Amino acid sequence: DIVMTQSPDSLAVSLGERATINCKSSQTILYSSNNKNSLAWYQQKPGQPPHLIIYWASTRESGVPDRFSGSGSGTDFTLTISSLQAEDVAVYYCQQYYSNPLTFGGGTKVEIK
Amino acid sequence: EVHLLESGGDLVQPGGSLRLSCAASGFTFSSYAMSWVRQAPGKGLEWVSAISGIGSSTYYADSVKGRFTISRDNSKNTLYLQMNSLRAEDTAVYYCAKGVSSGSARYFDLWGRGTLVTVSS
Repeated sequence: DIVMTQSPDSLAVSLGERATINCKSSQTILYSSNNKNSLAWYQQKPGQPPHLIIYWASTRESGVPDRFSGSGSGTDFTLTISSLQAEDVAVYYCQQYYSNPLTFGGGTKVEIK
Repeated sequence: EVHLLESGGDLVQPGGSLRLSCAASGFTFSSYAMSWVRQAPGKGLEWVSAISGIGSSTYYADSVKGRFTISRDNSKNTLYLQMNSLRAEDTAVYYCAKGVSSGSARYFDLWGRGTLVTVSS
């Protein structure tokens, strides 16, 4: 199974400042058919289901603000919120879909400092 | 409007059974693989099972293999999860999630609000 490890577990960032979340896979998740990394990011606000924000490691889902960006390759990936807004308070999860079983990172809780 | 609505969650004793349902609307249900993903209270997300669009292929997490069965009825736009031999560690909110291709779920672009399964005596 591919293990996904997120860091940090939580972070507090001032409004308007940058938030950076890391995700590491235990093996490469590069999909050879399109040369893209099989990684998605989700946002989960309290009491709500997860919401897709990034797929193929760096493609923003329709309707997601452009302050959210994904990057990385190989086994190391990053979700960046360029200017944190109050509505971005949530837990963020990465997920690999390179192989079954699909696996998620443990989550990173983002709060306002 | 695209929508997923889970039902069937309940309090059940260890060793008991339960069947969850997920009613889909607003998209061509048979064209997409579907999954169940669960979240234990205060914990992270755990993928449970997936089924291809036409139902010919199924996949399970090791933690539920042999106890849970995923199925779908494309004529009713409904996904199911039959859960047998339930354990305390199966206690969680179970989400129905829509994949982005017909063969495998990959990532999930639509989630239901979830249904709570509690396994306790």
